[in-house]
Amino acid sequence: KQEVTQIPAALSVPEGENLVLNCSFTDSAIYNLQWFRQDPGKGLTSLLLIQSSQREQTSGRLNASLDKSSGRSTLYIAASQPGDSATYLCAVLFSGGYNKLIFGAGTRLAVHP
Amino acid sequence: EPEVTQTPSHQVTQMGQEVILRCVPISNHLYFYWYRQILGQKVEFLVSFYNNEISEKSEIFDDQFSVERPDGSNFTLKIRSTKLEDSAMYFCASSGGYSRRELFFGEGSRLTVL
Repeated sequence: KQEVTQIPAALSVPEGENLVLNCSFTDSAIYNLQWFRQDPGKGLTSLLLIQSSQREQTSGRLNASLDKSSGRSTLYIAASQPGDSATYLCAVLFSGGYNKLIFGAGTRLAVHP
Repeated sequence: EPEVTQTPSHQVTQMGQEVILRCVPISNHLYFYWYRQILGQKVEFLVSFYNNEISEKSEIFDDQFSVERPDGSNFTLKIRSTKLEDSAMYFCASSGGYSRRELFFGEGSRLTVL
């Protein structure tokens, strides 16, 4: 069964810390992987998309890496700010599942001043 | 910046009633999706739609559900005879090119079934 797992489930850090969120997936045959941000009661905001042929993507203070062979992706957030507080979701489009993103349960991040 | 818009933001309905959730995808996108998130659970796929037909659906998407693109801009999810367990946040998403397949999600419609 194709599954996506995220650890930790929750993380609380002081402002300014660099942090890493982890995502693992059960099948290395993926098409792409997306990281999303979700604020409480809100929609999903796409942060980064990594195609299967790519190793990493960067946007501002965010950097996402992909290691298909080990079934892992990480989202690195540099110099965290209170405004980064949200739930971060990893979602995988597995090869053959042309239309169906499989989501992890998310990491709930709290950055305190 | 183009975005996916959904209405209503919140709907409360009685068990057994029919609801229609509406979405306006990003205008040049070709692929449309519905996902849902039951409170405290993962976001889960319901259905995808391309070229005016369902291209894939999950086991959740049974005869109680239907989707339609009634005109060139709207994409709807109809839930017939709602049940308590249909209470969830329903997200519409769209994507453009076949090769990139980056999904953009709306803000969601929260459905509460009493």
